[in-house]
Amino acid sequence: DADVTQTPRNRITKTGKRIMLECSQTKGHDRMYWYRQDPGLGLRLIYYSFDVKDINKGEISDGYSVSRQAQAKFSLSLESAIPNQTALYFCATSDFSGADTQYFGPGTRLTVL
Amino acid sequence: LAKTTQPISMDSYEGQEVNITCSHNNIATNDYITWYQQFPSQGPRFIIQGYKTKVTNEVASLFIPADRKSSTLSLPRVSLSDTAVYYCLVALSRRALTFGSGTRLQVQP
Repeated sequence: DADVTQTPRNRITKTGKRIMLECSQTKGHDRMYWYRQDPGLGLRLIYYSFDVKDINKGEISDGYSVSRQAQAKFSLSLESAIPNQTALYFCATSDFSGADTQYFGPGTRLTVL
Repeated sequence: LAKTTQPISMDSYEGQEVNITCSHNNIATNDYITWYQQFPSQGPRFIIQGYKTKVTNEVASLFIPADRKSSTLSLPRVSLSDTAVYYCLVALSRRALTFGSGTRLQVQP
């Protein structure tokens, strides 16, 4: 969905480095999410934010932190990257209505050497 | 959060109708049922959503029985481009979604 953008799209980094993945949306949604996906597996929720002041841990938040700079921006940081954080990372947004339909960005492919 | 169970994989041929069933035995009264489609290296894409009975859009139909403990995604006359992973989720608006492993649909020519 072009209304949800992620930068960078691809990133190769080394163990121990700090890295930030950024997500921006123009959909005007209050809710934003970060997921990771490992090859052949489903998506796992890292962090989610229901508004600028409401940030919650997901099922695999260890080793990650987030910042909700504005309604439209939600960043994911790996404080000290390790190889098992190599994965595809997706950002998503949703609005506060009914069934929380989520709209996903194109993904960031992260490789930690 | 309601747990869902769906087949790991399914195979079909072009032009056939495909039905993927999802079990959600502990669905709550206010939960909606949503299906997403994911192609390799892309984010999941919303397909269809429903609360009860039947919902149809230009892509698929969703059948939900009266007890709402299961739902069936129906894809009419699939093509090769329907090869993807399909996820069934149930969620109330204040809860974050959890994606399972989904159903991997392979459409053969």
